Amino acid sequence: GAVVSQHPSWVICKSGTSVKIECRSLDFQATTMFWYRQFPKQSLMLMATSNEGSKATYEQGVEKDKFLINHASLTLSTLTVTSAHPEDSSFYICSARPEVAYEQYFGPGTRLTVT
Amino acid sequence: AQSVTQPDIHITVSEGASLELRCNYSYGATPYLFWYVQSPGQGLQLLLKYFSGDTLVQGIKGFEAEFKRSQSSFNLRKPSVHWSDAAEYFCAVGALGSTLGRLYFGRGTQLTVWP
Repeated sequence: GAVVSQHPSWVICKSGTSVKIECRSLDFQATTMFWYRQFPKQSLMLMATSNEGSKATYEQGVEKDKFLINHASLTLSTLTVTSAHPEDSSFYICSARPEVAYEQYFGPGTRLTVT
Repeated sequence: AQSVTQPDIHITVSEGASLELRCNYSYGATPYLFWYVQSPGQGLQLLLKYFSGDTLVQGIKGFEAEFKRSQSSFNLRKPSVHWSDAAEYFCAVGALGSTLGRLYFGRGTQLTVWP
């Protein structure tokens, strides 16, 4: 149980285009979903926290207009990287927290490369 | 301020040897603690968690961790390491009662296992 999927697993896009990443909790309902960014050999950097049906809470320094987060249902959250630039290339990981739990379950991650 | 310290960036052990990964935390509220493991290019997998009760918790893959409040530590142990345990290990802390359930992660410890 407690499986989280992410799609796509990797994506290459051109500079200036937008990319959408989906995060789904497959066998549980997630009150809260989280989006992280991870640089090589580094820890996870929390980008934003989203609750179903409400606006996401962004961490300081994360551009809300660039990283659009939508939490449309208790099993789906999406991250859209708008007007992507090469510096947005990174490994993006989502996680989901079940309604009656404190732990987070992570997706497998999405490797974004902007050329 | 909340923080998690994993003092060892990289640890190398021989297969079959015992393992201890250190984790110290600083948190103003009652903490709940986790250890996650990440294989290259993958998301994070939950190894074990501590909320309350017995301070020695058992996890998956033969791992255990001991919560020591007086030392603000939550060290991860395994009596006999397998080559498949080679990965990055992250300690994380959150707050009981936190409505969003945000976790704070350490920088990670890279484990290398020699045959």
